[in-house]
Amino acid sequence: DAGVIQSPRHEVTEMGQEVTLRCKPISGHNSLFWYRQTMMRGLELLIYFNNNVPIDDSGMPEDRFSAKMPNASFSTLKIQPSEPRDSAVYFCASSWDRLPLMNGYTFGSGTRLTVV
Amino acid sequence: SQELEQSPQSLIVQEGKNLTINCTSSKTLYGLYWYKQKYGEGLIFLMMLQKGGEEKSHEKITAKLDEKKQQSSLHITASQPSHAGIYLCGADMEYGNKLVFGAGTILRVKS
Repeated sequence: DAGVIQSPRHEVTEMGQEVTLRCKPISGHNSLFWYRQTMMRGLELLIYFNNNVPIDDSGMPEDRFSAKMPNASFSTLKIQPSEPRDSAVYFCASSWDRLPLMNGYTFGSGTRLTVV
Repeated sequence: SQELEQSPQSLIVQEGKNLTINCTSSKTLYGLYWYKQKYGEGLIFLMMLQKGGEEKSHEKITAKLDEKKQQSSLHITASQPSHAGIYLCGADMEYGNKLVFGAGTILRVKS
């Protein structure tokens, strides 16, 4: 398995532009998570899906952020309009839906977003 | 997450020395996960602890969960440059398939 695949790896955009981050989870995993990592706030959970349905989006910072999971193999995180404070590394992770999570989540390599 | 406190924030050790990283919660942990992250890369799963008093080892890294299931320690024996990176603890605190993470501990190993 190729693991969790995120694209792009790096994104530089101007303030006010729309940004879309993409994630392909591991085949067969039915839970998907979007995290954001910054020096100041560490690793924060933004939203997670189970069987393509958003379960908890309480971590989404503002209405400018939205996430979708149209099918089991694809998810997007969109920021519109983007602001410099959105600059961070965004991680996608996936897992089996089992409790407890014996093998944890599998993380992608992340997308480093810079908004100028 | 403020729910999980990691200490120290950063650590510099001489190659060959032992070190310990701690992860503490005020709540009972249903699962405690240790990850390692190299700069610019994703998180790599190390090990998971579930039962009070449980201890697991992977190569020269040993992790323990205390009896009350509120504190975990990660111990590295005879550190090597390859151990350098950021160590994060994550916890399932609501038995609900969602992990929250500590702020991480930056480890540097001097050769």
